[in-house]
Order: sequence, then C-alpha cells, then structure tokens
Amino acid sequence: DAGVTQSPTHLIKTRGQQVTLRCSPKSGHDTVSWYQQALGQGPQFIFQYYEEEERQRGNFPDRFSGHQFPNYSSELNVNALLLGDSALYLCASREGSTSYNEQFFGPGTRLTVL
Amino acid sequence: LAKTTQPISMDSYEGQEVNITCSHNNIATNDYITWYQQFPSQGPRFIIQGYKTKVTNEVASLFIPADRKSSTLSLPRVSLSDTAVYYCLVYHSGNTPLVFGKGTRLSVIA
Repeated sequence: DAGVTQSPTHLIKTRGQQVTLRCSPKSGHDTVSWYQQALGQGPQFIFQYYEEEERQRGNFPDRFSGHQFPNYSSELNVNALLLGDSALYLCASREGSTSYNEQFFGPGTRLTVL
Repeated sequence: LAKTTQPISMDSYEGQEVNITCSHNNIATNDYITWYQQFPSQGPRFIIQGYKTKVTNEVASLFIPADRKSSTLSLPRVSLSDTAVYYCLVYHSGNTPLVFGKGTRLSVIA
C-alpha cells in the first residue's frame, strides 16, 4: 500500500501565477482534505472533499479551489499566488465521512512563491 | 471547537519517559482526543486516540482523567528519533476537520 502520495514534491512559482497540486489517497479512502502549513506553525485546514464535492471549508479565500475525481484523487488549485502562499501543502485521506477515522497524511508539496 | 493548550517545547534525555500534557477545558461530550507526530518536512502521523481513561498502543499511552479537561501523552523510553512536534487535537463527532495548534516541539538529547 503506497499510502497518501502527493506531487510534485517541490514547486517554485512567482507572484500572480497559478499552481495545481495533486494528491492520491490511501487505498480504500474516499475522503480527502487539504491543509496549509506555514513554517513553524501547525497545519491549517483548507477544505475537504467527499463524493466529489467540497464538504467543509476553512478560512481561505476563493483563490484556493479544489476538485475530487471519481477515483478519489484530488487537486488543489491556487490562483493569483501571493508571497504568503509559500508553505507546505498537505493532503490527508481517510475512509468514510466520519471524523473518528484516522487521517493519513501525505509527505506534502513545498510551494515557494517568489 | 475545543481549544487546546500544550507546552511550546520540551527537552528530554534518551531513555527517559516523556509526558506531554494538553488542556482542553471546553471539551464537549462527543469530542475525541487525538495526538499526531510530525517530523520536519513530513506530514503529521497519527499516534493515538482516546475518549476517556487510558489507551495504550505500541507507540504511546494516552491518559484522560474523568473530567476529560486534559490529557497526557506518554512516550516510554524516548530515543533521538522521537525528536518531533507533537500535536494534541480535539474534534467533534461527525464530519469535522482536524484543528491543529502549534504543538509541542520535543527535543531528545543523547
């Protein structure tokens, strides 16, 4: 079992550009969440997808959008990048919609905005 | 959502038992307590979860008193590889996201 995988590992963009990050959940998992982790901070919840729909959303602007595909994989899109978007972006997956199930995190994508 | 408070950092020598206490005074009846571990440049990893009393697995123990307003993660005989950030989280029943604080940075010294 490959666990949660994310691509790319690292990414460098400039202000104003757009970026797409990808996540494949752990086998058997159907719920995917995205988190942003700035240096020295804990992960902050961006949004969660279940059955191809956004179910929950954290306090992030509309520049952050996502998608879940029928195979449960997911993408995070960020438009009009700002310097403050530089962070480690984490994807987490779990089975089912109840939060009592353990979440498995991927290794993250390190985004640097110049 | 219940707010959690835990020490910013802790130091320990190898081989010692480490106890990290987290306070969550406004925990609700349906809330569970979970702990995650995170190494630099990696995603958090689930350690242990509990509702009340004591839970033990191959990695750690979790002690939760009767009033559930705090919990203590116990790591037996830590090694250098246990150096990481440890997060205490409380979450509601149902479909709610995990809310991370800044965690406790544990440094294990040889």
